[in-house]
Amino acid sequence: AQSVSQHNHHVILSEAASLELGCNYSYGGTVNLFWYVQYPGQHLQLLLKYFSGDPLVKGIKGFEAEFIKSKFSFNLRKPSVQWSDTAEYFCAVNSAYLNSGGSNYKLTFGKGTLLTVNP
Amino acid sequence: NAGVTQTPKFRVLKTGQSMTLLCAQDMNHEYMYWYRQDPGMGLRLIHYSVGEGTTAKGEVPDGYNVSRLKKQNFLLGLESAAPSQTSVYFCASRTGAPNGFQYFGAGTRLSVL
Repeated sequence: AQSVSQHNHHVILSEAASLELGCNYSYGGTVNLFWYVQYPGQHLQLLLKYFSGDPLVKGIKGFEAEFIKSKFSFNLRKPSVQWSDTAEYFCAVNSAYLNSGGSNYKLTFGKGTLLTVNP
Repeated sequence: NAGVTQTPKFRVLKTGQSMTLLCAQDMNHEYMYWYRQDPGMGLRLIHYSVGEGTTAKGEVPDGYNVSRLKKQNFLLGLESAAPSQTSVYFCASRTGAPNGFQYFGAGTRLSVL
């Protein structure tokens, strides 16, 4: 079974600090990787996704993530955070293929990292 | 284009009561999912559907039932609510395209007393 680990439960930064949130997954096959963000009281929104190709993926609002296959990692980064980035961040993975050749695209989520950015 | 719409937004139930949560999507998506979100647990998949008339169990299906009679709707039912089902419930949908991703609704906050 797939699993996703997010290393930090709660990260507190000051504005303009750099951000890196860790995400590791366990699955030996081809995977699709996602980062979602949930602002306070809102639903999950897609930040960025990786399917194939360039392992450095750029998303919305200045976020990027790097897929390192050998480390089973997909860490999220942002060079300079803003107060408005305060939110909970979820890493998620789905297997690209099932044994039958299709996929149900089920996502396995990490437990989330709460980011607090102080002005 | 409303995306994924969940009703109701809030609900309080007494133990043993039943209710149905409705998820509707207007994007003609094949796949639909129900999750629950609990503090420190992330999102956990309850049930999902890969097309009209089909449903399957997810990670935490016990105590829930679902139906997908129409492609655009995915209903989540609680037959006899328990306090352990107090949670925030999210519905999501996506296309069958390999490079698609899940779109989420705004959530339903359910309290079972």
